Amino acid sequence: EIVMTQSPATLSVSPGERATLSCRASQSVSSNLAWYQQKPGQAPRLLIYGASTRATGIPGRFSGSGSGTEFTLTISSLQSEDFAVYYCQQYNNWPLTFGGGTNVEIK
Amino acid sequence: EVQLVESGGGLVQPGGSLRLSCAASGFTFSNYWMTWVRQAAGKGLEWVASIKEDGSEKQYVDSVKGRLTISRDNAKNSLFLQMNSLRAEDTAVYYCARYSGDYHYFPYWGQGTLVTVSS
Repeated sequence: EIVMTQSPATLSVSPGERATLSCRASQSVSSNLAWYQQKPGQAPRLLIYGASTRATGIPGRFSGSGSGTEFTLTISSLQSEDFAVYYCQQYNNWPLTFGGGTNVEIK
Repeated sequence: EVQLVESGGGLVQPGGSLRLSCAASGFTFSNYWMTWVRQAAGKGLEWVASIKEDGSEKQYVDSVKGRLTISRDNAKNSLFLQMNSLRAEDTAVYYCARYSGDYHYFPYWGQGTLVTVSS
């Protein structure tokens, strides 16, 4: 099983600032990596797939990068609606696995 | 518009059974892999099972093999999760989600149904 490790667990950021979230895979997943955003009481929302392609309707302030085992989600200028938990997911191998999440909170 | 609506959750005793359903609309159901993902309260997301378009291939996380069974009825645009020999650790919100074509990530999710395993 590929273990996905996200860091930090919690990120405190002021509105308008940049946020950088990391995701590491225990073995290479190529570019088969997705990012999701989840707000309390809601289902997850797909942000990024293929490590760097924004999903339909996702604002340009969200960007993804990386390949192999190291991945980054960057939110260039945090808006109030961006405070949420973010998960990475690898889909290179069975079983599909998610990271433990990064909680982006208001500083 | 793609819609996924889960039902069938509830309170069940350890060792008991439950059947979850997911009603799909707004797309050609028989053209897509489908999946179940769960989330325990205050915890992260855990992939549970996936099923191919025609039901010919199924994949499961090890912790549910032999106890949970994914199935589908393409004529009724429905996805199912038969849950047997339930354990306390199966307590979670269960989400139905649709694949993006042939790739195993999920652009569309239902709102989830809560399963509580407790005596």
